[in-house]
Amino acid sequence: DTEVTQTPKHLVMGMTNKKSLKCEQHMGHRAMYWYKQKAKKPPELMFVYSYEKLSINESVPSRFSPECPNSSLLNLHLHALQPEDSALYLCASRPLDRGDSPLHFGNGTRLTVT
Amino acid sequence: GQQLNQSPQSMFIQEGEDVSMNCTSSSIFNTWLWYKQDPGEGPVLLIALYKAGELTSNGRLTAQFGITRKDSFLNISASIPSDVGIYFCAGGGNYGGATNKLIFGTGTLLAVQP
Repeated sequence: DTEVTQTPKHLVMGMTNKKSLKCEQHMGHRAMYWYKQKAKKPPELMFVYSYEKLSINESVPSRFSPECPNSSLLNLHLHALQPEDSALYLCASRPLDRGDSPLHFGNGTRLTVT
Repeated sequence: GQQLNQSPQSMFIQEGEDVSMNCTSSSIFNTWLWYKQDPGEGPVLLIALYKAGELTSNGRLTAQFGITRKDSFLNISASIPSDVGIYFCAGGGNYGGATNKLIFGTGTLLAVQP
């Protein structure tokens, strides 16, 4: 079982819909991440939050909007997505008291855009 | 996004055989991590390496942080069917000045025949 919880597990949405992905961890980790993963490919970094502030945005299109309302929660708001945005969206977290502590991943949300 | 070169791309072996895979980069990393991903799940950390030359074991798994800090190796001894999955290396640290980033390798698909 993973200590990073992502909901929903699966999501199907149309190109005009607005939806949100949620991620929660209670390990006290102050860095949280969103990754996008296509089938049989490695995860690709989208966003990083450090101490609830956005620290890295990997030139992600504005139709993806991250939000970190507190130290345990991370959201990804989706609007006007394209079919090519269909992928597994992974959330991860790590503590910031050690420079390069490893990431802990959730099991992801499988997103299908129709 | 940026990726590390990982080889082999896939391996099909018999149960009981040993497995070796490696990851190389043109840039230096301060951390090397090895993850395993099963279908429908997020990556799970296997081994973390923090020092050049470091050799670390976790059960049947052994990984090494290359002396040049540009590569890493993972060995699995006496493979069993549950070793099936995709193995990813990941480099972290002061890559490009962004200490929060983790860059993934292209992955090695391992299939084990009983």
